[in-house]
Amino acid sequence: DTAVSQTPKYLVTQMGNDKSIKCEQNLGHDTMYWYKQDSKKFLKIMFSYNNKELIINETVPNRFSPKSPDKAHLNLHINSLELGDSAVYFCASSQVANTQYFGPGTRLTVL
Amino acid sequence: GENVEQHPSTLSVQEGDSAVIKCTYSDSASNYFPWYKQELGKGPQLIIDIRSNVGEKKDQRIAVTLNKTAKHFSLHITETQPEDSAVYFCAAARSGSARQLTFGSGTQLTVLP
Repeated sequence: DTAVSQTPKYLVTQMGNDKSIKCEQNLGHDTMYWYKQDSKKFLKIMFSYNNKELIINETVPNRFSPKSPDKAHLNLHINSLELGDSAVYFCASSQVANTQYFGPGTRLTVL
Repeated sequence: GENVEQHPSTLSVQEGDSAVIKCTYSDSASNYFPWYKQELGKGPQLIIDIRSNVGEKKDQRIAVTLNKTAKHFSLHITETQPEDSAVYFCAAARSGSARQLTFGSGTQLTVLP
């Protein structure tokens, strides 16, 4: 069984559109994260979230917003997509501050 | 905030040789240092981690060393195999309710058969 899953795997869209990426974990973890990996493979934290606390990386534009319908899901919603948003987005989860397990990634291409 | 520097950016070794990747960090409060391996088209996978109360940790062919005074840590892979070829990332984090990892820039390791 997949521990951390993301959908879709690939997302191609036009500038200005709004899109969402879904993440689900079946590990029973209480903390979930979103990371952005750019074309040079650099990985950067965007958000971390548990049922008590949302921590936002201050460099993340407010067009990006995490939404958590329940403890096992943390979706990423992006408004008014820009060319520079093209990247691979990874979801991860952990039990409090322990090992983070990453999903397979969603490659977003903005045209 | 934390800044993690990683070297080298690319590393080629012959099968059977050892590989060493080095990282330095800036935040003296960081106390958790994981290493991730990312294969093409996949998400990063944890291969080993070390906490600041330990100087060295081994797991079969992989070892990590930590020098808190100098604020650097290294990954050592012995007897490399072609399947070790991947991008390796070091990371650092403080303890807390949610560990936000700061990653190094990655090392593309190629093991030549």
